[in-house]
Amino acid sequence: KNQVEQSPQSLIILEGKNCTLQCNYTVSPFSNLRWYKQDTGRGPVSLTIMTFSENTKSNGRYTATLDADTKQSSLHITASQLSDSASYICVVTLTGGGNKLTFGTGTQLKVEL
Amino acid sequence: ETGVTQSPTHLIKTRGQQVTLRCSSQSGHNTVSWYQQALGQGPQFIFQYYREEENGRGNFPPRFSGLQFPNYSSELNVNALELDDSALYLCASSSGLAGVTDTQYFGPGTRLTVL
Repeated sequence: KNQVEQSPQSLIILEGKNCTLQCNYTVSPFSNLRWYKQDTGRGPVSLTIMTFSENTKSNGRYTATLDADTKQSSLHITASQLSDSASYICVVTLTGGGNKLTFGTGTQLKVEL
Repeated sequence: ETGVTQSPTHLIKTRGQQVTLRCSSQSGHNTVSWYQQALGQGPQFIFQYYREEENGRGNFPPRFSGLQFPNYSSELNVNALELDDSALYLCASSSGLAGVTDTQYFGPGTRLTVL
């Protein structure tokens, strides 16, 4: 069973609309939680990084939240653009063990006209 | 662009063969991590190298091995290739170990197909 679960698996929205992607994790203890954007056939690109003590982090139209008590995170995308079409991956870093990242399977987002 | 490069871009091998993938880290970074990403899945951690020493390993068999050079570039070697080794292999560079807010910068990946 994957220790980082994401939902929905895929999502289609219209350009200009907002959306929220969810991430639930069971790995612990962790040092930080990251959201990455991965275009098809390319390496992931970091969007946000939050430590366990942070509740929210923004990067332009992307806002990530973290609830360490319930082990949930969300990524909110505002005013979506066609270029937002990509896979969004939630990643948890375990403490110790060589900066090991545990990746979720991602949410595939498609933004349409 | 992240400044992390990987070669080759694509590779086709047959079962039982050996393969070497290469990664050049971003300038100033001394840590390289390797990941395997099967189609439709998130990347799986293979191992990490810090200043030429292996520092952490995921659940991959010993036929997956690596190397980091003094200039911090890195190689991933896979022996006795199996069909399930077909995947996108990503390397990521970062500065330092387990930095709390340390960003890992990913390369574009090498697409390996095993026939």
